[in-house]
Amino acid sequence: GENVEQHPSTLSVQEGDSAVIKCTYSDSASNYFPWYKQELGKRPQLIIDIRSNVGEKKDQRIAVTLNKTAKHFSLHITETQPEDSAVYFCAAPSGSARQLTFGSGTQLTVLP
Amino acid sequence: ETGVTQSPTHLIKTRGQQVTLRCSSQSGHNTVSWYQQALGQGPQFIFQYYREEENGRGNFPPRFSGLQFPNYSSELNVNALELDDSALYLCASSLVPARVTEAFFGQGTRLTVV
Repeated sequence: GENVEQHPSTLSVQEGDSAVIKCTYSDSASNYFPWYKQELGKRPQLIIDIRSNVGEKKDQRIAVTLNKTAKHFSLHITETQPEDSAVYFCAAPSGSARQLTFGSGTQLTVLP
Repeated sequence: ETGVTQSPTHLIKTRGQQVTLRCSSQSGHNTVSWYQQALGQGPQFIFQYYREEENGRGNFPPRFSGLQFPNYSSELNVNALELDDSALYLCASSLVPARVTEAFFGQGTRLTVV
């Protein structure tokens, strides 16, 4: 099955700085890589995703890059704001049900 | 809002009891997946239902069971509750199972087992 590793587990940045979270996966057949943001007590919300036919995708201050050869993908947040503080999860699909295997999460804190 | 709704939002049960959680999928979505999220961890896949049949299962014991109805809504049943079953239970609906599409989560049901 799929194994997804996520680093770092905690990340503190100053407001306005950039934040990068990295994930590696094991199943070379994986072709879809979503990122979720989860605020305290709330559901994980899909914030950006990338499919294996592209190397980078941007949406305003958020971008995701994918390196299929190395089997890793990263979330980049630029010009961080306090409301970006949350737990971020990466995921990759596996199995016959194409269920998502999640990373262990990164607690991002943006300091004002 | 994702269009995926879950009920109830919170639930407290006693060890050994049984619980049923409900999920209504987003309009047009025929696949429902259930996940368990323990405190401080990422969601873990329990099982998926497609066309009223189980379409895949994670590493959960048989006391976790489910149903999907003709309108694509779904239930998660847990028998003989244990303290470790305390978690946020999330359901996600998607368009088709075999081709991965975006999975949007409902707001979740917070289950506490005492």
